[in-house]
Order: sequence, then structure tokens, then C-alpha cells
Amino acid sequence: AQKITQTQPGMFVQEKEAVTLDCTYDTSDPSYGLFWYKQPSSGEMIFLIYQGSYDQQNATEGRYSLNFQKARKSANLVISASQLGDSAMYFCAMSVYGNNRLAFGKGNQVVVIP
Amino acid sequence: NAGVTQTPKFRILKIGQSMTLQCTQDMNHNYMYWYRQDPGMGLKLIYYSVGAGITDKGEVPNGYNVSRSTTEDFPLRLELAAPSQTSVYFCASSYNVGQGPTSGGYTFGSGTRLTVV
Repeated sequence: AQKITQTQPGMFVQEKEAVTLDCTYDTSDPSYGLFWYKQPSSGEMIFLIYQGSYDQQNATEGRYSLNFQKARKSANLVISASQLGDSAMYFCAMSVYGNNRLAFGKGNQVVVIP
Repeated sequence: NAGVTQTPKFRILKIGQSMTLQCTQDMNHNYMYWYRQDPGMGLKLIYYSVGAGITDKGEVPNGYNVSRSTTEDFPLRLELAAPSQTSVYFCASSYNVGQGPTSGGYTFGSGTRLTVV
């Protein structure tokens, strides 16, 4: 079974600074996908970024990048140039190919301060 | 461009009552899922479906039932509601990850906030 671990306490980040959110995962399957979702206080789940286990390069989507270290089973999210609207809960998740059941970590709370 | 539509958005149930949470997607995704999110926690999978007529249990299926008669619809049934089922419920859909388009990942509905009193 997949296991996702997010252990950082809530974080305060200065506006315009970068923030890194840690995520480690555990699976014995070689084929999987890693996802990050943002959940603002309004409650919806917003997809941010995806990394496939066979992708050679780290995924990037605008201000979001995923620092994928396969050997360490680590998939950290980096948010560059933080904005006030980035204040939210951030969830790391993974899905094994063919299984498709998305497993979530417990989330990281980020508060961006001006 | 509706995506995944969940109804209702809010509901208060009394202990022992039953209800159905509705979920519809218009993206022709073959996979659909129901998750619950308890306060301060991540999402936990209740049930999922790989296509019309096929459903299976997730991590926390007790107290729930589902059906998938069409590709578009995946309702979640709560029988004999209990306070432990107070939660936010999310429906989601996806392609087969790793084969279909993955740029959007899983598409989630806006959630149903359920309180059982």
C-alpha cells in the first residue's frame, strides 16, 4: 500500500520568498505518479503539479516546481515568489499506475505574510 | 466546462437518517472516486469505480454504498447516518493515470459538507 508522509508543522512565509514543502512516499511499485494539490480556506482541491516516476526531469508549472529525488522517495514542492493567495493547505499525493487510487498525506499549512 | 459536479454542498442529517450524495462528471473519465476529509486531515478513499458497473472499496467503506450505472454518475449512499460520518466529502474523476492525459491529474468536485447530529 502507498504511504505519503508530510510532517512539517505550519509554516509562515514572507511574501515574495520561496518555500519548500516536504513530502516522502513509500511504495514497492516502480510505476507511479506524484501530485500536489492546494486547498485554500474555501475548501476546493486545486491541482498544482504532476511528476511521473519515469520522468527524467523535475516537473515545473509556473511558480511551482517539484524536486523529485526517486532514490530517496522524496517529492518536495517548491513555491517561488510566494503571494498572499498562496496561503492554503498543501497536499502531496501519489497513485500507482493501473491502480489509480490516489493516496494523500496529511498536508502542510502555509501562511504567507506581507 | 462543468468538470465534476457534487450536490448538495451542505447537509445536516439526524442520527439514523439516510441520504445520497450526487456526483456527475462530463469529461468521459472512466475512473471515479469518493473521498472524505476529516478536520485537519488528508483525504481518505471511501469507494472507487473503474467504469460503469464496477465498484470497489477503498480505505474507509463502512457505512457507505455506491453504484455506477453510467460513466457520468457515481452517487454515494449513506445508510443510518452516525456522528462519525460528519465530514467533508469529495467526489473525483480521472483517466487511467500513466496512460491518459495527466496534466490535470484528478478532477475534484467542490465538496459536500455533511454534519450528523
